[in-house]
Amino acid sequence: KAGVTQTPRYLIKTRGQQVTLSCSPISGHRSVSWYQQTPGQGLQFLFEYFSETQRNKGNFPGRFSGRQFSNSRSEMNVSTLELGDSALYLCASMALGGMNTEAFFGQGTRLTVV
Amino acid sequence: LAKTTQPISMDSYEGQEVNITCSHNNIATNDYITWYQQFPSQGPRFIIQGYKTKVTNEVASLFIPADRKSSTLSLPRVSLSDTAVYYCLVGSRITGTASKLTFGTGTRLQVTL
Repeated sequence: KAGVTQTPRYLIKTRGQQVTLSCSPISGHRSVSWYQQTPGQGLQFLFEYFSETQRNKGNFPGRFSGRQFSNSRSEMNVSTLELGDSALYLCASMALGGMNTEAFFGQGTRLTVV
Repeated sequence: LAKTTQPISMDSYEGQEVNITCSHNNIATNDYITWYQQFPSQGPRFIIQGYKTKVTNEVASLFIPADRKSSTLSLPRVSLSDTAVYYCLVGSRITGTASKLTFGTGTRLQVTL
């Protein structure tokens, strides 16, 4: 069974630009969550999608958005990039969601904003 | 979600047993405890999960006392490859509901020869 795939692995962008990151969950998993990890703030929840609907959202500005497709693949978009958006962005896949199921994480996309 | 408190770092020698304790004083009845491991520049990996007493799998054991206000992750005979950050998470066990994993600062385990 293939794991969670995130693309690209590394990305360098300039302030003010926008970026789109992609996540392909484990086959059959319907819940996809996104997390931002920085040295200063640790791992922080961005949002969760389930069956193409956002059902949970963290405390991030509206510049951070996402969507999920009918095949459960998800994308997250960050517009008007700021230096502070430099981070490792992680995607987690769950079968149905809910805390009593295991979350499978991808290797992440390392975004550097210059 | 119950807040968790863990030691920031721990050191161990290879071959020793390592016990990492997590405090979660405000754990709710529906909450259970999950531990994740993370290596640098990789996503966290599920280690073990439990509700009460003791849970054991091929990787670790999880000890939860009767009051459930703390839990201890036990790693038997650690090796250099166990050097990682370990996170303790507490959350509701309701299946199919919205998921939001709340990671604390974690415990950075350093294993040396």
